[in-house]
Amino acid sequence: NAGVTQTPKFQVLKTGQSMTLQCAQDMNHEYMSWYRQDPGMGLRLIHYSVGAGITDQGEVPNGYNVSRSTTEDFPLRLLSAAPSQTSVYFCASSEVLSGNTIYFGEGSWLTVV
Amino acid sequence: GQSLEQPSEVTAVEGAIVQINCTYQTSGFYGLSWYQQHDGGAPTFLSYNALDGLEETGRFSSFLSRSDSYGYLLLQELQMKDSASYFCAVGGAAGNKLTFGGGTRVLVKP
Repeated sequence: NAGVTQTPKFQVLKTGQSMTLQCAQDMNHEYMSWYRQDPGMGLRLIHYSVGAGITDQGEVPNGYNVSRSTTEDFPLRLLSAAPSQTSVYFCASSEVLSGNTIYFGEGSWLTVV
Repeated sequence: GQSLEQPSEVTAVEGAIVQINCTYQTSGFYGLSWYQQHDGGAPTFLSYNALDGLEETGRFSSFLSRSDSYGYLLLQELQMKDSASYFCAVGGAAGNKLTFGGGTRVLVKP
């Protein structure tokens, strides 16, 4: 059971570069989201999607884009990386209804220098 | 907006009981969840309370009082493997649009 798969696991970027964090789930979940976690802090929602073709902003969306062309995939794009985007990024998926178990990927460690 | 408060750190010995409190402020309440995260790992779901009362899952229990905007996670018979960070989170009307607390780091000593 793959669950939620994120790539890459580690990445170093230079300021101003762009990149895409990939996320795929094989549980046929409608709901997917991206969170970032800074050291010693909780997770903050960046963007989320309630189904293919539908995305919306979370708490900290600036500097990030998302798209949802299929149920399985939900990539996160950093448009022009900044040191403030150095963080651990988690992709998550779940059934639509609140209260269901949310499954997180293993995380992507991003450093912007 | 939404905000959650929980203690930053708790230390206890093996076999002990630890209670992690969480108070929240939210414009719309759809339930309180708890997640466990080991260092370097992903958060994993522990429990969810939508209604007042106690939910028990093995050694872990979670409690909610909606009138007090308060909940807690109870860890019983602590084991070394329980050393981790624990996060409370409040959810939106659908799916995983969660707002997380800052996390409580639990250190279990022999």
